[in-house]
Amino acid sequence: AQSVTQLDSQVPVFEEAPVELRCNYSSSVSVYLFWYVQYPNQGLQLLLKYLSGSTLVKGINGFEAEFNKSQTSFHLRKPSVHISDTAEYFCAVTPPNTGGFKTIFGAGTRLFVKA
Amino acid sequence: NAGVTQTPKFQVLKTGQSMTLQCAQDMNHNSMYWYRQDPGMGLRLIYYSASEGTTDKGEVPNGYNVSRLNKREFSLRLESAAPSQTSVYFCASSLTGQGDGYTFGSGTRLTVV
Repeated sequence: AQSVTQLDSQVPVFEEAPVELRCNYSSSVSVYLFWYVQYPNQGLQLLLKYLSGSTLVKGINGFEAEFNKSQTSFHLRKPSVHISDTAEYFCAVTPPNTGGFKTIFGAGTRLFVKA
Repeated sequence: NAGVTQTPKFQVLKTGQSMTLQCAQDMNHNSMYWYRQDPGMGLRLIYYSASEGTTDKGEVPNGYNVSRLNKREFSLRLESAAPSQTSVYFCASSLTGQGDGYTFGSGTRLTVV
């Protein structure tokens, strides 16, 4: 079985500062990894995903994430955040060839960007 | 470019009442899902439909039923609502359910009193 741990429930940061949102996972098989963003009163939107290949993946809105197999981590980073990045961010894992119904979501990290 | 459309956006029910949440996608996706979101718990899968004509239970199916009406539509029914079903419900779809990720609807905020 898989599990996902988002290590911080809330991350406050000042505008234009860098940010890292941490995600660790546990799985006995290889997995696909995803980050989603949820703005207030909206559904989740896919930010980026790692399927295979290069361990550094770039997504929308200037976000990127690095897959580290030895540390079973998939941390999300942005070099300079904006007020508009204030949202909740979810890490998710899916084992391949399972139709998506074994996708596990983390509990979420609330990012607060302060002026 | 509608994506995934959910109705209603808000609903208040009394304990024991029934209702159906509607979901439709216009992206020709094969797989559709219903999730509930509760504070601090992330998203939990209620039911899913891997393809038209099939439905299966997810992690938390008790108290719910679903219908995959056609390839576009996937509805969620609460037969006898309970306060424990107070939550935000999201419908999602995926082309294959593999590495393409999900497209989510904007959610239904349900309160059961």
